[in-house]
Amino acid sequence: AQKVTQAQTEISVVEKEDVTLDCVYETRDTTYYLFWYKQPPSGELVFLIRRNSFDEQNEISGRYSWNFQKSTSSFNFTITASQVVDSAVYFCALSEAVSSNDYKLSFGAGTTVTVRA
Amino acid sequence: DTAVSQTPKYLVTQMGNDKSIKCEQNLGHDTMYWYKQDSKKFLKIMFSYNNKELIINETVPNRFSPKSPDKAHLNLHINSLELGDSAVYFCASSQDPGSVDLVYSYNEQFFGPGTRLTVL
Repeated sequence: AQKVTQAQTEISVVEKEDVTLDCVYETRDTTYYLFWYKQPPSGELVFLIRRNSFDEQNEISGRYSWNFQKSTSSFNFTITASQVVDSAVYFCALSEAVSSNDYKLSFGAGTTVTVRA
Repeated sequence: DTAVSQTPKYLVTQMGNDKSIKCEQNLGHDTMYWYKQDSKKFLKIMFSYNNKELIINETVPNRFSPKSPDKAHLNLHINSLELGDSAVYFCASSQDPGSVDLVYSYNEQFFGPGTRLTVL
């Protein structure tokens, strides 16, 4: 069974602080993909990153960075120098193959990040 | 240009009614999905269609019936609405996975803005 755990329900920080969101996953698939999505207060779901199980290189995109550790089944997300606009719910997700040509996403419960001015 | 659009954005209706939510994507994707997000923000897939063919049907009551007239549209019809159906429903689409040496590359899903359904 697939499972994605985001142990932090809510995180509150002051602007300019760094914040790290944890994501731990379970899968029996040898090939899988991990994703992060952002859901701001306006409600839409915004794709942030996709990472495959063979690529353990960390990635940085502006103030966002991701740390993929296959050995610990974790795919953590760090926001550096947080801003008020980073306030949102962040979801980690794991792909699960349902056929040779299709998959579904299993989402974690989400972490609500509040950045205070 | 809206990549994945849903109508309506808000839907308030009485228990027992039948309602539909429409979804359209202009990304040329082959696969479309419906998700339900409950009041605790938990997201769960309901259905997936690939080229108008049903691929995933999670444990969803028969009152929910997806319909895909073409690969750019996936509508969700709900019969006999119940209080527990109140949620935000998201449509999404993705490009078919590509493959290199039978290793599939699953692409990200792009989500619509959501439809907030309130059943009274």
